[in-house]
Amino acid sequence: NAGVTQTPKFRILKIGQSMTLQCTQDMNHNYMYWYRQDPGMGLKLIYYSVGAGITDKGEVPNGYNVSRSTTEDFPLRLELAAPSQTSVYFCASSRWGEGYTFGSGTRLTVV
Amino acid sequence: GQQVMQIPQYQHVQEGEDFTTYCNSSTTLSNIQWYKQRPGGHPVFLIQLVKSGEVKKQKRLTFQFGEAKKNSSLHITATQTTDVGTYFCAYGGTSYGKLTFGQGTILTVHP
Repeated sequence: NAGVTQTPKFRILKIGQSMTLQCTQDMNHNYMYWYRQDPGMGLKLIYYSVGAGITDKGEVPNGYNVSRSTTEDFPLRLELAAPSQTSVYFCASSRWGEGYTFGSGTRLTVV
Repeated sequence: GQQVMQIPQYQHVQEGEDFTTYCNSSTTLSNIQWYKQRPGGHPVFLIQLVKSGEVKKQKRLTFQFGEAKKNSSLHITATQTTDVGTYFCAYGGTSYGKLTFGQGTILTVHP
């Protein structure tokens, strides 16, 4: 099993550009999450989903959008990138009440 | 709202010394999970505690959940260089399993 796969691993964006961070899991987990991690900080929840077609905001959703059309995929869309969105983005999945499986992350720099 | 403090923020030890990180909450927690993140890596799930006073062991790691379910600790006996990384506690609400992560404790082990 591949677990949780995130692409790309690295990306540099210019201010105002848009991009989609891809996340897919092959464990048939209902729950999926997007977190961001700033240097030396903990993880902050951006969006989460409890199943296909259902998404909700986390702690820091501004500037981001998500969709969940299938159980496997949970892409994160950045519109009009800003320097404040420079961060490491982690996607994770889980079954309810169990530990998360994280992807390897996307390191994004906005210049 | 619920606030969880994780201490210490940093810990430097000599190889072979013990290490403990604490997670303290102002309110009762329904559950708590612990994760390890190696430098440059992604968080990896270690364990979940749900019962008052629960103690679990994984080789040199001992996890405890306080009697009042307001605090938790992770203790590593005789640290090794492979223990280097950031240790996060994370707690979940009662709905949908989404976790809030503590700030983490960065462990450095000197050989």
